[in-house]
Amino acid sequence: DTAVSQTPKYLVTQMGNDKSIKCEQNLGHDTMYWYKQDSKKFLKIMFSYNNKELIINETVPNRFSPKSPDKAHLNLHINSLELGDSAVYFCASSPMGRGAPNQPQHFGDGTRLSIL
Amino acid sequence: DQQVKQNSPSLSVQEGRISILNCDYTNSMFDYFLWYKKYPAEGPTFLISISSIKDKNEDGRFTVFLNKSAKHLSLHIVPSQPGDSAVYFCAARRGAGSYQLTFGKGTKLSVIP
Repeated sequence: DTAVSQTPKYLVTQMGNDKSIKCEQNLGHDTMYWYKQDSKKFLKIMFSYNNKELIINETVPNRFSPKSPDKAHLNLHINSLELGDSAVYFCASSPMGRGAPNQPQHFGDGTRLSIL
Repeated sequence: DQQVKQNSPSLSVQEGRISILNCDYTNSMFDYFLWYKKYPAEGPTFLISISSIKDKNEDGRFTVFLNKSAKHLSLHIVPSQPGDSAVYFCAARRGAGSYQLTFGKGTKLSVIP
């Protein structure tokens, strides 16, 4: 009955490879997010989608491309991985609409990406 | 440019005593604040929130205080329990209608039995 689930939990790969992280939520939310937690422990927003439409796109290298096939899924594809991409990536979801900004975001357990 | 600052990376408290976690912010546009709790290898989970029109919100053992003039908020946990040991993140929302949260670096709370 996991609300926001991410796969894989751990991802170890070589520099230059392309990889994807999947995220699914069963909360019926229509907004999903990707965050990056780097070595300094800051949680920083990368992207947000509402009903499959991009609404937040922070300054992120274009090697990162989010894909939302439907409002319950938001996947993150990363091309040409670099050492600096090593981090924990968290997916989150929340409802949108009247009163929704006051609804908290629900997070997945994170994907720890390590670049060798 | 850290708009949300948690200046204490760690805090140790005896079981049964009060834990006070602090958070400062610089952006006057922030109008809604949240605290999240995070255990190792898990995602952050929502704990409590407060709107900028209030100065206090209470939920069981957890109380959040907001001082807008000082741009400061604090989370009080009374009484502290060993299960409260976790990293606590302060987060702020940039204005009405915004879904974007800005997080602090977190404070690791250790409650000693």
